[in-house]
Amino acid sequence: DADVTQTPRNRITKTGKRIMLECSQTKGHDRMYWYRQDPGLGLRLIYYSFDVKDINKGEISDGYSVSRQAQAKFSLSLESAIPNQTALYFCATSDLDSDYGYTFGSGTRLTVV
Amino acid sequence: AQKVTQAQTEISVVEKEDVTLDCVYETRDTTYYLFWYKQPPSGELVFLIRRNSFDEQNEISGRYSWNFQKSTSSFNFTITASQVVDSAVYFCALSEFAYGQNFVFGPGTRLSVLP
Repeated sequence: DADVTQTPRNRITKTGKRIMLECSQTKGHDRMYWYRQDPGLGLRLIYYSFDVKDINKGEISDGYSVSRQAQAKFSLSLESAIPNQTALYFCATSDLDSDYGYTFGSGTRLTVV
Repeated sequence: AQKVTQAQTEISVVEKEDVTLDCVYETRDTTYYLFWYKQPPSGELVFLIRRNSFDEQNEISGRYSWNFQKSTSSFNFTITASQVVDSAVYFCALSEFAYGQNFVFGPGTRLSVLP
């Protein structure tokens, strides 16, 4: 099994729908992150969490919310999806002892029509 | 504010050519960490290297090498004798922390290696 698992891998949804992207990890890392990737813009931080009780907004949090249900689970919600939220979304984890920076999930490709 | 620039949007080379991907960064921190990630067509992000600001030694790993120059705020990545499997988007990233908290990513460079 992957260290960081994202579900679903692909999703097409309609404008105005609520959608949740899920992330779970087996690394035992405290810190978890949600990024979105758009062509030519790299990855931009949406939300991050340093532990279950700590949630922080990133660079582009408007239109998104998150829930840290447990150390291993960090979900991203789009309350009312809009087409410009069409992107590739990545979950990542990190920890003080991590030599590799982030451990990324495989990504969720979301299309809002 | 931190910023990472990858001026090359797309590069195409023929197999076996050498290619250098440029990365220029901005930061006011005296301690920081630089990373390179590879994103193959399958979409996942693969860690390649981490370098801290106190270590300016160049690094070589097989066909990959990295040149870190604080004087020019650059952390360039060279692939020697490129192969088709090197075709990917490559991201340079900057963080003030070793464990990668709050990365700032560059926009990425798409490398196409043609047979």
